[in-house]
Amino acid sequence: SQQGEEDPQALSIQEGENATMNCSYKTSINNLQWYRQNSGRGLVHLILIRSNEREKHSGRLRVTLDTSKKSSSLLITASRAADTASYFCATGVSGGYNKLIFGAGTRLAVHP
Amino acid sequence: SQTIHQWPATLVQPVGSPLSLECTVEGTSNPNLYWYRQAAGRGLQLLFYSVGIGQISSEVPQNLSASRPQDRQFILSSKKLLLSDSGFYLCAWSPKRGNTEAFFGQGTRLTVV
Repeated sequence: SQQGEEDPQALSIQEGENATMNCSYKTSINNLQWYRQNSGRGLVHLILIRSNEREKHSGRLRVTLDTSKKSSSLLITASRAADTASYFCATGVSGGYNKLIFGAGTRLAVHP
Repeated sequence: SQTIHQWPATLVQPVGSPLSLECTVEGTSNPNLYWYRQAAGRGLQLLFYSVGIGQISSEVPQNLSASRPQDRQFILSSKKLLLSDSGFYLCAWSPKRGNTEAFFGQGTRLTVV
């Protein structure tokens, strides 16, 4: 079953603008992760934020986590056409094997 | 460095035919291994995971099975494919330690006709 719900489902912006994607989840988590998928390819890990962290940065990426609201956001600043992809949040939950539950993703299109 | 290989990249199979997708990991030992399926425009659904040789757990009962004959080899199989088995199949691995990311192969696009 899918736990993460991304919002919006699709996002279209111009180069240079910021892109914000949100993720909500339902159960307790160990961590929350964001992945990127170019069309027809595998997923690439972007960033992991642990349940006791509130904000994390990596280059042009900023992730926040609000465990009281069971939500996370991914901000991509100064977007580029190469950022065009689908972005998925995945919740790391207890299960003895690094179980990840993925949302349906946000399709981001960045126009030159 | 660790790498994950998954093949074939695309596959078209008739209904009722068998399936074998293979995934191998290099550069690490005793990884957790996973098979996911992704329907068009959707997120990933975990099908199977394995924490060791011969240890397979299924998340979703269906027409597929998985095997791990060697530490870094994970195979997804079916004896008779259904139309509903079409999709994008992804193999992934993660280290045993907790709070870690997963590393994905490039996926196999399976079309059952």
